[in-house]
Amino acid sequence: IAGITQAPTSQILAAGRRMTLRCTQDMRHNAMYWYRQDLGLGLRLIHYSNTAGTTGKGEVPDGYSVSRANTDDFPLTLASAVPSQTSVYFCATGQGHTDTQYFGPGTRLTVL
Amino acid sequence: GESVGLHLPTLSVQEGDNSIINCAYSNSASDYFIWYKQESGKGPQFIIDIRSNMDKRQGQRVTVLLNKTVKHLSLQIAATQPGDSAVYFCAENSGGSNYKLTFGKGTLLTVNP
Repeated sequence: IAGITQAPTSQILAAGRRMTLRCTQDMRHNAMYWYRQDLGLGLRLIHYSNTAGTTGKGEVPDGYSVSRANTDDFPLTLASAVPSQTSVYFCATGQGHTDTQYFGPGTRLTVL
Repeated sequence: GESVGLHLPTLSVQEGDNSIINCAYSNSASDYFIWYKQESGKGPQFIIDIRSNMDKRQGQRVTVLLNKTVKHLSLQIAATQPGDSAVYFCAENSGGSNYKLTFGKGTLLTVNP
């Protein structure tokens, strides 16, 4: 079944640790995105990639990095996690010609 | 800066009634709008979209209306069901080649049996 998968589903992490959130799609969409969702703040864009090999900064990129080695995978890395990065993280993909974005199931991350 | 906002943060309706969820946007350059539904513990789910060259678009039990004069977007849900209970977001894409969306904070719709 075509779709977007994210891993892990949830994670509790000690501050200062490195963490990579995984996102894989089989929809062959060119564009991929990472958002964080916090109560009262809605969805905020962290990083995006319009196509394999390119990435860009979103609204809240500090403390996060991404890579896009191929079409299907778009991992998000927290180099040294801090408690303010506690959030629910969503990966999304987009069909460039329609601009619609489709979301994965999310990763709930808690940084202690 | 430009932003997308919602008039009502919560909406409670009776099962079978029609629901209307509103959204105001401020970026006059936006040319594409999307409504998403998000159930508890899940990712946002695409419901319906509309481009700026349209005023109305209908789907299954849902209708989106766009009023560009007052920069207002609404989602109408006909015969609301308990399964419609969720948070609903509007989003806008101001165009360009980066396909980035700006999201509203959401309206919580509760359907009472």
